[in-house]
Amino acid sequence: DAKTTQPTSMDCAEGRAANLPCNHSTISGNEYVYWYRQIHSQGPQYIIHGLKNNETNEMASLIITEDRKSSTLILPHATLRDTAVYYCHLGDYNQGGKLIFGQGTELSVKP
Amino acid sequence: NAGVTQTPKFQVLKTGQSMTLQCAQDMNHEYMSWYRQDPGMGLRLIHYSVGAGITDQGEVPNGYNVSRSTTEDFPLRLLSAAPSQTSVYFCASREGGINTEAFFGQGTRLTVV
Repeated sequence: DAKTTQPTSMDCAEGRAANLPCNHSTISGNEYVYWYRQIHSQGPQYIIHGLKNNETNEMASLIITEDRKSSTLILPHATLRDTAVYYCHLGDYNQGGKLIFGQGTELSVKP
Repeated sequence: NAGVTQTPKFQVLKTGQSMTLQCAQDMNHEYMSWYRQDPGMGLRLIHYSVGAGITDQGEVPNGYNVSRSTTEDFPLRLLSAAPSQTSVYFCASREGGINTEAFFGQGTRLTVV
């Protein structure tokens, strides 16, 4: 399985954009980039995913570089409730149900 | 829909005891997985299943058994509990296909003394 690298922790001021990077230099052509987050040791929650193009939904935006070797999750106006661990992972779901998660980034949104 | 339901929410076991963690989903999802999460750590895949009757090992399968007799249920069995299995256990499910998201249960907090 391809690996991802994320910073261990990040801070963000409330109301500002939070930009969370993820490196995946060994990504293969049929792997999607997925983002999940985990709040207070609850079950992880899906945020967004993409293959090549940038994606946006009501929670966040996902920017994938043209060579697909890295991506950035953007929370446009971070709130205190966005404090969580954010996981970036690669999924070739044609391989079945195997989802491997890395260590994630602990995002602290501060007043 | 209830989504993914895990029972129990909390459990204390003595070393050597066995038990089964239950996971049920009502979304007719093909794929189900079990993870463990140790304090301050990420999620590690224990076992997963791509459909009824089909299971496979993940990253840390030793000490655990699974079976998938129905689409809805994916129980995780601890054969002989050890203190190293103290952890929070999460179950997840998703539809088959390449463009689907995973849904997680709320976890089972297990302590082995």
